[in-house]
Amino acid sequence: NAGVTQTPKFQVLKTGQSMTLQCAQDMNHNSMYWYRQDPGMGLRLIYYSASEGTTDKGEVPNGYNVSRLNKREFSLRLESAAPSQTSVYFCASSDRTYYGYTFGSGTRLTVV
Amino acid sequence: GENVEQHPSTLSVQEGDSAVIKCTYSDSASNYFPWYKQELGKRPQLIIDIRSNVGEKKDQRIAVTLNKTAKHFSLHITETQPEDSAVYFCAASKTGGSYIPTFGRGTSLIVHP
Repeated sequence: NAGVTQTPKFQVLKTGQSMTLQCAQDMNHNSMYWYRQDPGMGLRLIYYSASEGTTDKGEVPNGYNVSRLNKREFSLRLESAAPSQTSVYFCASSDRTYYGYTFGSGTRLTVV
Repeated sequence: GENVEQHPSTLSVQEGDSAVIKCTYSDSASNYFPWYKQELGKRPQLIIDIRSNVGEKKDQRIAVTLNKTAKHFSLHITETQPEDSAVYFCAASKTGGSYIPTFGRGTSLIVHP
């Protein structure tokens, strides 16, 4: 039982490059989320998907896009990376029976 | 929207002491309050949660209390150990609709041996 799996774990990008962060969960959860974590800022929601086929903006969506590929997978795309997007990114999932989040192991992204 | 304030931002204790972290929330409709522990370089992990129909919940050395009238909830850790050192996040949400919790900014707990 892997829980929530994120790839890659580390990534260095040059300004203007694009990349996709992958997230998959095997807990049959309906809802999935992408957060970024910066020092002193806590966890800030980028996008979420309440159920398969739906996505919505969170607190800090600018510069990102998402795709809920199926019930298991939720990807985050940076089309043109900027240094301000240097952060640790966490994917999470939850369901309507047990509302607590299960987080992935995180992706440490550096944009130079 | 919901606003969650968490205090203190840093807490330093000696091994064996108790630690208390407090959070206040603004939306009286919030009814689910989880706490997450994040060790250095690791993912946040749910350690305990409480729903608004309960005033207190305990799990071994950790407990959470909720005061709905005052709109605050607290995490209590007794007999602290060095492995309790981590950042702790509180959150508040409503268990309906899209369920999006609002997180506190986190408390860095340091337990000195």
